[in-house]
Amino acid sequence: QKEVEQNSGPLSVPEGAIASLNCTYSDRGSQSFFWYRQYSGKSPELIMFIYSNGDKEDGRFTAQLNKASQYVSLLIRDSQPSDSATYLCAVSSGGGADGLTFGKGTHLIIQP
Amino acid sequence: NAGVMQNPRHLVRRRGQEARLRCSPMKGHSHVYWYRQLPEEGLKFMVYLQKENIIDESGMPKERFSAEFPKEGPSILRIQQVVRGDSAAYFCASSPRVYQPQHFGDGTRLSIL
Repeated sequence: QKEVEQNSGPLSVPEGAIASLNCTYSDRGSQSFFWYRQYSGKSPELIMFIYSNGDKEDGRFTAQLNKASQYVSLLIRDSQPSDSATYLCAVSSGGGADGLTFGKGTHLIIQP
Repeated sequence: NAGVMQNPRHLVRRRGQEARLRCSPMKGHSHVYWYRQLPEEGLKFMVYLQKENIIDESGMPKERFSAEFPKEGPSILRIQQVVRGDSAAYFCASSPRVYQPQHFGDGTRLSIL
């Protein structure tokens, strides 16, 4: 059974600070890793994706992957109130069966 | 609108009726995925399709649920003889190739009376 674990939160971060979101996964054969943002009542929106060990930066967002530790993280710099949402970590094992396995999400609250 | 299109946005059915949910992928995307999100639960993968082929249906309930992606037209998720437990948000996603990021539609909120 493939599992993706996230702390459900809520994670409260002051405006302007760095928000750090973490995720672990059970399937060592996982190949692709994604972060989605979901506002209440809305659909998931792709924020970042990462395939290789290390860091990947895009604007205020940095994704970090450590396959040896089976750990993925998302850093949000200069947090804004509009970043308040649930952040979903998703993992794909590939190999033709490309359905994503999602964590239950971390509820992030940016306090003005 | 170049995004993933789902319709209807909201669907109400009585127990025992059939529900049909439609999904048109983004232009240039040939891979379609269906997910279900139950209240207070995470997104669960249901099925992965390419044109005229079901690639992986490991997440589909064994009975009452079926999916297709015909050569022409949208992908259809069909739920026969709906029950209260089928009430959920059903999301469709598409990607251009395997391993590529999936982009989600706005979803269909299914309510069973």
